[in-house]
Amino acid sequence: GAGVSQTPSNKVTEKGKYVELRCDPISGHTALYWYRQSLGQGPEFLIYFQGTGAADDSGLPNDRFFAVRPEGSVSTLKIQRTERGDSAVYLCASSLMAASTDTQYFGPGTRLTVL
Amino acid sequence: GENVEQHPSTLSVQEGDSAVIKCTYSDSASNYFPWYKQELGKRPQLIIDIRSNVGEKKDQRIAVTLNKTAKHFSLHITETQPEDSAVYFCAASTGSTDKLIFGTGTRLQVFP
Repeated sequence: GAGVSQTPSNKVTEKGKYVELRCDPISGHTALYWYRQSLGQGPEFLIYFQGTGAADDSGLPNDRFFAVRPEGSVSTLKIQRTERGDSAVYLCASSLMAASTDTQYFGPGTRLTVL
Repeated sequence: GENVEQHPSTLSVQEGDSAVIKCTYSDSASNYFPWYKQELGKRPQLIIDIRSNVGEKKDQRIAVTLNKTAKHFSLHITETQPEDSAVYFCAASTGSTDKLIFGTGTRLQVFP
């Protein structure tokens, strides 16, 4: 079946602009996660949703970042007033349920470049 | 906070040799330990995982061992092939939420 998809695959923006990154999880997966991966590093947790609610947003770096999942499926990560340090690959993952032993399947990521 | 350390950062082996990557974690409540393989520009792909109720798991050329007392786990790849070349990440679930804490990665190069 279809895996996790993310759009756009690449996003170039200017410092101070607003961006939205979209994630389509695997159909039927109730848990959705956002991670950020900087060059040469492992993915870093940002936020996770169980259904429509953000069950853990402890990884969001500051209040310029927020995410929504209004219908419990597609999620959008929103970054306001982008900074050069926000440049990274933003990965989305989904799992069937929210149990910590459920496999997380990753999307291809969105490479964000802030000039 | 929770932390996962991974060693080595780079590993070069000859085709056919074995490769071992080691990780330690800090949260004693962690109970799920996946390993992901990531090729350049691609998404992380799960290659094997282990849950805290077992000490070892094997899938063909790949095996993972877990020592909960020492809080470390290892990935073993036998009979390495050039297509095994990639960056490998270990991860551990936290005890209080469902997020994964990742190690910093190991770049494995397998030379023909």
